[in-house]
Amino acid sequence: AQRVTQPEKLLSVFKGAPVELKCNYSYSGSPELFWYVQYSRQRLQLLLRHISRESIKGFTADLNKGETSFHLKKPFAQEEDSAMYYCALRDIQGAQKLVFGQGTRLTINP
Amino acid sequence: EPEVTQTPSHQVTQMGQEVILRCVPISNHLYFYWYRQILGQKVEFLVSFYNNEISEKSEIFDDQFSVERPDGSNFTLKIRSTKLEDSAMYFCASSDWTGVQPQHFGDGTRLSIL
Repeated sequence: AQRVTQPEKLLSVFKGAPVELKCNYSYSGSPELFWYVQYSRQRLQLLLRHISRESIKGFTADLNKGETSFHLKKPFAQEEDSAMYYCALRDIQGAQKLVFGQGTRLTINP
Repeated sequence: EPEVTQTPSHQVTQMGQEVILRCVPISNHLYFYWYRQILGQKVEFLVSFYNNEISEKSEIFDDQFSVERPDGSNFTLKIRSTKLEDSAMYFCASSDWTGVQPQHFGDGTRLSIL
């Protein structure tokens, strides 16, 4: 069975501090991992996918197959990063359902 | 940038009534999805739809639920006889003809069952 775990429901850091949002997954097949973000009163938006290996808004995430993790990191948090972050998984074949974690609410304090 | 649009943004319905949630996917997309999020819980997959038929559905998607693409632009979720536990945020999503590109989500419809 596919499962995504985000152990922190709430995370609060100060502006300028590093941020790491944890995501672990369980899947026997070949997973594709995503981070979606939901800013206040806005829709779920794709932030990152592991296949792209890119940095968006200063965030990066590396798929670690050994640890089955896909942690989201940013070296210097900004106030506009405050949002709900969801880690999600689907089969690498695509056109498949997304399985979401519980989400982490990130608050950046000034 | 093209967007998935959902209507209404909030629907209040009496228990036992039928409700239809509407979605307009991005125009060149061919894969469509419904998800729901009960307050305080994770986003859960309900159903995926491709080529005018359901391609996958979850255990949640029982006989009370149905989906339809009644014309070339709309994609609807119908709940035949609503229950209190159907109260949730319902998200529509779509992805392109390959199905490989990430899914784009709508703003959601908040469904409140009284």
